[in-house]
This record gives sequence, C-alpha cells and structure tokens, in this order.
Amino acid sequence: ETGVTQTPRHLVMGMTNKKSLKCEQHLGHNAMYWYKQSAKKPLELMFVYSLEERVENNSVPSRFSPECPNSSHLFLHLHTLQPEDSALYLCASSQALPLYNEQFFGPGTRLTVL
Amino acid sequence: AQKVTQAQTEISVVEKEDVTLDCVYETRDTTYYLFWYKQPPSGELVFLIRRNSFDEQNEISGRYSWNFQKSTSSFNFTITASQVVDSAVYFCALSEANTGNQFYFGTGTSLTVIP
Repeated sequence: ETGVTQTPRHLVMGMTNKKSLKCEQHLGHNAMYWYKQSAKKPLELMFVYSLEERVENNSVPSRFSPECPNSSHLFLHLHTLQPEDSALYLCASSQALPLYNEQFFGPGTRLTVL
Repeated sequence: AQKVTQAQTEISVVEKEDVTLDCVYETRDTTYYLFWYKQPPSGELVFLIRRNSFDEQNEISGRYSWNFQKSTSSFNFTITASQVVDSAVYFCALSEANTGNQFYFGTGTSLTVIP
C-alpha cells in the first residue's frame, strides 16, 4: 500500500449504530487530519493530530470521537449520528505541522446515515 | 464570512479550450499560503501548487498556470488546451501563518471537459 488509505470506502449506518472509520498513511508523516466534505459546502477541517496528540478540535460534536494510536493510524469513531452527518470523510497527512505544508489525502469514506 | 470564494460552481469546456478557475481569498494576515487541489472522481484530493504571500510571481507548470494578485486578493488557475483528464473538482485553499493549524477550502469548481 502506498500513500493514504481509508477503510471502509462506503458505510451505511443507522442513527443508533456505532462504527469506526480507519485511516492509514504509509508516508512516514507526523501529522494527520480528518475533514468532512458535504455537498455544496467547503471541506471542513474536523481534527488535527501531531505526533499522536490532538492539537485542534474545530467545534465538532462529541458524537465524533477521533483516536490516533500511532503516527501511521487515525480513527474516527462514530455513534448516535444524525442524517446531516452523511458526507464524504477524508483523511489527510503531512510531514508535520503547520498546515501550510503539503497534505496528502486518502480517497475518503462515503458515509450515509439513515 | 467565507475566507475562500470560488464563485464558479460548474464549468464546461470543449477539449483544447483554455479555462480559468477563479479564486478570491480574504485574510488579515501578512503571511499566508494559497493552494490549489484537484479532486478527480476517485475522491482523493491531489496537491497542485502552494504559493506564499511574499511571492507574487506567476507560475507555469506544463499546461497549468497560476496568477496570484495580492491587489485583488485573487489566485486564479488556468488550464491551457484542456483535456478530458482535466475533468475534476478543483479546490482553492488558504492557510494563515498566525493560525497555522487551520486550513480553509473554497467550495470548489467542477470542471467538465467535453471531448
């Protein structure tokens, strides 16, 4: 595997389910990010991790819970989601902070909340 | 207020035509960075270019060129002799040095190149 991978690519869940999105980067980077991409809206930066520590949490509801167990893996745990949370969730990584370094993106997980 | 504005939602051109994608940004920082990313149908965003606020030189890379004008707060992107493979959504983005852990995308311009 090369670059940034994300699993699953598609996910359908009910509002009472608990699921997790996984991101793995094979680039030796130290910073990882979660973005949300909704139709007709700008990509929204959700979380920023540097060296496995969360450095930004952009007013994201607590039903989204990130986890970064090591510098290569990033998870987004989902529970009690709402239909408006349906979106494409993109993971990205960069060599290090700050965010004006080049970011490398994964293909995203298309999430549908019923 | 939106920090990055891409007023063109969708553009269609015929192959070999030139096309310019507009980007207007807003910042009070004197040091900032502007980006363009391409998102093909496969989903992952691909980095195209980064410019810092102190370098207003226009840049050309093959069929791609960028026009950075601080006077109008614009960072426009031109594709010369467009090809079908250029069909994608293109995003302009801004990062400010004083808020280095934030990244602002525009809403994107969907470009369709018709063969």
